[in-house]
Amino acid sequence: DQQVKQNSPSLSVQEGRISILNCDYTNSMFDYFLWYKKYPAEGPTFLISISSIKDKNEDGRFTVFLNKSAKHLSLHIVPSQPGDSAVYFCAARANTGNQFYFGTGTSLTVIP
Amino acid sequence: EAGVAQSPRYKIIEKRQSVAFWCNPISGHATLYWYQQILGQGPKLLIQFQNNGVVDDSQLPKDRFSAERLKGVDSTLKIQPAKLEDSAVYLCASSYPGGLVFTGELFFGEGSRLTVL
Repeated sequence: DQQVKQNSPSLSVQEGRISILNCDYTNSMFDYFLWYKKYPAEGPTFLISISSIKDKNEDGRFTVFLNKSAKHLSLHIVPSQPGDSAVYFCAARANTGNQFYFGTGTSLTVIP
Repeated sequence: EAGVAQSPRYKIIEKRQSVAFWCNPISGHATLYWYQQILGQGPKLLIQFQNNGVVDDSQLPKDRFSAERLKGVDSTLKIQPAKLEDSAVYLCASSYPGGLVFTGELFFGEGSRLTVL
């Protein structure tokens, strides 16, 4: 069963505009959420995270929003740049043992 | 600081053959993970070690997959015999629980791409 879901396999955005990537989860035991970015032939790299006690975390152009009641989080990238083109994975940690569960990824293309 | 090292980067084998992947985590990281990423899917946890003990191996196909982490540092993931559906990228990751301080971040290696023919 897929506990973390990213329902949009791909997204295209014009350079300078906002990119919004969405993620849904089903397990109420998740207490920590992360976004990873992956370029081809490389391992995923950490981008930004948010604890379940917060509803927003911001780091430069990247902001993650968490809606616990809806079991939904989103990543906003403003402004989007061509170098942001990559696959973005949402991940969630279970508070029972530091296991991390990943979504299927969203491929973002930023068009110059 | 050196990152997570994995080898080999690429491996092509025929079905029913065996293969082994090696991982060296970031120095001091007590937790080590092996993930399987099939094309078009997200990483799926195969096994998680805390030092040299197994925390979670519930999704490891134990009839063909095995993993060990001797001395709580390096780890090896073995597949024997391989099946066509094992074609995937095998990602190793490590993290530092650090007692009360947990960054929540996994550090990934570049992965080992396996093709089973």
